[in-house]
Amino acid sequence: SQTIHQWPATLVQPVGSPLSLECTVEGTSNPNLYWYRQAAGRGLQLLFYSVGIGQISSEVPQNLSASRPQDRQFILSSKKLLLSDSGFYLCAWSLRGRERGRGSYNEQFFGPGTRLTVL
Amino acid sequence: AQSVTQLDSQVPVFEEAPVELRCNYSSSVSVYLFWYVQYPNQGLQLLLKYLSGSTLVKGINGFEAEFNKSQTSFHLRKPSVHISDTAEYFCAVSDPRSNTGKLIFGQGTTLQVKP
Repeated sequence: SQTIHQWPATLVQPVGSPLSLECTVEGTSNPNLYWYRQAAGRGLQLLFYSVGIGQISSEVPQNLSASRPQDRQFILSSKKLLLSDSGFYLCAWSLRGRERGRGSYNEQFFGPGTRLTVL
Repeated sequence: AQSVTQLDSQVPVFEEAPVELRCNYSSSVSVYLFWYVQYPNQGLQLLLKYLSGSTLVKGINGFEAEFNKSQTSFHLRKPSVHISDTAEYFCAVSDPRSNTGKLIFGQGTTLQVKP
């Protein structure tokens, strides 16, 4: 069966410090990967998605970046955190389409999340 | 482009009462539809999904949803709620033709079950 891991579970960082959040998926190959953020009392905001190693698409311009160094590893980074970066960060994966042109199944499976507080 | 509107930000209900969480979507093409639940400080868990076929979809924890193409709705229902159903619920839509698998989420509905 497939599992998705995120770490750390919680993080408290000062403004201006760097950030690295990691997400790994087990039990599947060639997944689509996603990073979301939930600010307090708000919905989900898609930050980045990736359809393959080294392929990153950004949804919104911001202080964050993402990388996919391995097939099942997705990393969210920042060089200098802002107060507005505080939130709950969720990683998710979905199956890749099995045949060209048919698209993917689109159901996403979410990790447990990382609570980031920037002070 | 697709969009999702969850009509109620908060739904208070007493335990054992029925509940309906409303979701409307906008799309010029056929869509896949999903309901997710999020318990405090946890990730999202899939409740149910509509891909094609029967418009009444049954999910986990006694929830069901009905796809109504003419009204572009996908409302979530449960005949009798429990305290443990207190959570945030998200409706989402995706384009079956998409290779990216991106989901468009609604803003969420907080279900508050009172004893």
